[in-house]
Amino acid sequence: KNQVEQSPQSLIILEGKNCTLQCNYTVSPFSNLRWYKQDTGRGPVSLTIMTFSENTKSNGRYTATLDADTKQSSLHITASQLSDSASYICVVSARGGYQKVTFGTGTKLQVIP
Amino acid sequence: DTGVSQNPRHKITKRGQNVTFRCDPISEHNRLYWYRQTLGQGPEFLTYFQNEAQLEKSRLLSDRFSAERPKGSFSTLEIQRTEQGDSAMYLCASAGGGDNQPQHFGDGTRLSIL
Repeated sequence: KNQVEQSPQSLIILEGKNCTLQCNYTVSPFSNLRWYKQDTGRGPVSLTIMTFSENTKSNGRYTATLDADTKQSSLHITASQLSDSASYICVVSARGGYQKVTFGTGTKLQVIP
Repeated sequence: DTGVSQNPRHKITKRGQNVTFRCDPISEHNRLYWYRQTLGQGPEFLTYFQNEAQLEKSRLLSDRFSAERPKGSFSTLEIQRTEQGDSAMYLCASAGGGDNQPQHFGDGTRLSIL
């Protein structure tokens, strides 16, 4: 069964600090992995997307890594800001149709002053 | 604003009533998706359109649910004979190009069943 597990479930950090969120997946055959940011009461916003051949991708203070061998991804947030407070969702797609997209349950990040 | 627009933002209705939600995607996007999201969970895929064709439907989409995209532009999602378990956020997303293009989400319609 295709699964995406994220850790930690929630995280509180001080403004200005860095943090790393984890995503482990068992989706096969792998197509791509995306990270989304979802503010409370809003729709998810795409941060990064990586295919099998990419092992890192940056978007401003967000850097995602992918290890396709161990089926792990991480999202690193540098110099956190209060506006980074949100849920971060890892989404993995398998080849062969859109039924094969699996969402993680997200990591809820709270940045405090 | 040229993003994905969903209406209404909130819907409160009594159990057993029918409800319809609308999604206006980004105009040049040919792909349109519906998801359902409950509190503390990630979105769950419901259905997918490419232009006006409904290409995939999740097993979550019971016969009380129907989605249309009649002209390949806006889409509607109707739920008939609503049940308590239908309470959720219903999200719409659109994308252009290939599978590796990002999906752009609307802010959803929050449905509450009394």
